[in-house]
Amino acid sequence: IAGITQAPTSQILAAGRRMTLRCTQDMRHNAMYWYRQDLGLGLRLIHYSNTAGTTGKGEVPDGYSVSRANTDDFPLTLASAVPSQTSVYFCASSEGQDTGELFFGEGSRLTVL
Amino acid sequence: GQNIDQPTEMTATEGAIVQINCTYQTSGFNGLFWYQQHAGEAPTFLSYNVLDGLEEKGRFSSFLSRSKGYSYLLLKELQMKDSASYLCAVRDSNYQLIWGAGTKLIIKP
Repeated sequence: IAGITQAPTSQILAAGRRMTLRCTQDMRHNAMYWYRQDLGLGLRLIHYSNTAGTTGKGEVPDGYSVSRANTDDFPLTLASAVPSQTSVYFCASSEGQDTGELFFGEGSRLTVL
Repeated sequence: GQNIDQPTEMTATEGAIVQINCTYQTSGFNGLFWYQQHAGEAPTFLSYNVLDGLEEKGRFSSFLSRSKGYSYLLLKELQMKDSASYLCAVRDSNYQLIWGAGTKLIIKP
C-alpha cells in the first residue's frame, strides 16, 4: 500500500534551474494539493486540483506551476528556481475538496543555492 | 485576514495530560482538523470536528466551540512517542484548509 509517493525526497538545485517534483497517489482521490512548509510558518498551499483536468492557485502560487493530466499524478514545476523556494514540499490528497482528511506524501526537501 | 493561533511550544511529563489550544478567525467554517507531525516526517491525521463538542479517540480527544472560534486537543497518558508538532487546520468557506504554525510538544521523562 503506497498511498502518496513523492520524488525526489531531497534535492539541491542551482538558482535559475528548472525542477519538477513528482507526486503520485493510488487511492483514486479526486483532490490533490501542493504545500510548502517553512520553519515557524503553517503549511501554505501552492496549487491544488479538485479533479483531473482542473487546477487552481493557492496562497503562494508565484514561481510554481502544476498539471493534472490524470487522477493519480500531480507534478509541481519550478520554472526558474530562486533561493526563497528553499523549503520542504508536501503533496497531499483527499477524497474530495470538501470531504475527508488529507493524506500527505513524505515530503521533498528542496535547497536552492 | 484568516488566522489560526496555537502556542509555539509546550512541555509535559510522561504519563501526564496536556491540552493544546487553537483559536481561529476564518472566512466561514467547514470543519477543523488536528494533525500530528513528527520531526522530518509528513503530517498524519488525528481528528476532525465539525459540530460543537468533544470527539474522543483513544488517548486523544478534540473539542470544538464554533461560537468561540476555539478548539483544543487533549492528550492523555502521555508517551515519549507523543513528542511531535501538532497542527490545527480549519476548512474555510471555499473548502481550503488554513493551517496554524503548529505546536511543538516536548515530553520529558
